[in-house]
Amino acid sequence: QQQVKQSPQSLIVQKGGISIINCAYENTAFDYFPWYQQFPGKGPALLIAIRPDVSEKKEGRFTISFNKSAKQFSLHIMDSQPGDSATYFCAASRDTGNQFYFGTGTSLTVIP
Amino acid sequence: DGGITQSPKYLFRKEGQNVTLSCEQNLNHDAMYWYRQDPGQGLRLIYYSQIVNDFQKGDIAEGYSVSREKKESFPLTVTSAQKNPTAFYLCASTDMAWGGTEAFFGQGTRLTVV
Repeated sequence: QQQVKQSPQSLIVQKGGISIINCAYENTAFDYFPWYQQFPGKGPALLIAIRPDVSEKKEGRFTISFNKSAKQFSLHIMDSQPGDSATYFCAASRDTGNQFYFGTGTSLTVIP
Repeated sequence: DGGITQSPKYLFRKEGQNVTLSCEQNLNHDAMYWYRQDPGQGLRLIYYSQIVNDFQKGDIAEGYSVSREKKESFPLTVTSAQKNPTAFYLCASTDMAWGGTEAFFGQGTRLTVV
């Protein structure tokens, strides 16, 4: 059973546009929600993360919106650039847990 | 520079062979993980280890084996029992032996069966 569901599978956005990727989770015990960015042939790297005590976290052009009641969180990339073209994974874990649960990934292409 | 080193970057395996993927970290992290990545399936956990000389099966452990004799090292062996081993393999580590912290990933090993 997929603990974290991610959509869309792929996304094409014009340069300067907003990219939005959504994730939903089932386990209310999750309390750490990171987003990872992966370029082809490389390992994922942490982009931004949020805990459920806040509804939004912003770092530069990247924002996580978190809806605890709906058990959903999303990544917004403002002013999308061609260099943002990568695969994005959402994930969830528990502070007292011992593993991460990853979404299936979203391939983002930003066209000039 | 601190980080995770995976080797080799590319690996080719013949049918019936066992192969071992190397993962070394100099971050002094307690926990280490092995993930398998296939297109459209995200990252699936193979094995993880929270302390030396102890490891646990993940969701897709069949056909794989690991060891954790040193804190810095967590090699993964893909055995001949793994029916479809062609994939991109990622090693990761976390500072604490639980999930609420950043995971650092290696650059991956792409394994191909020939």
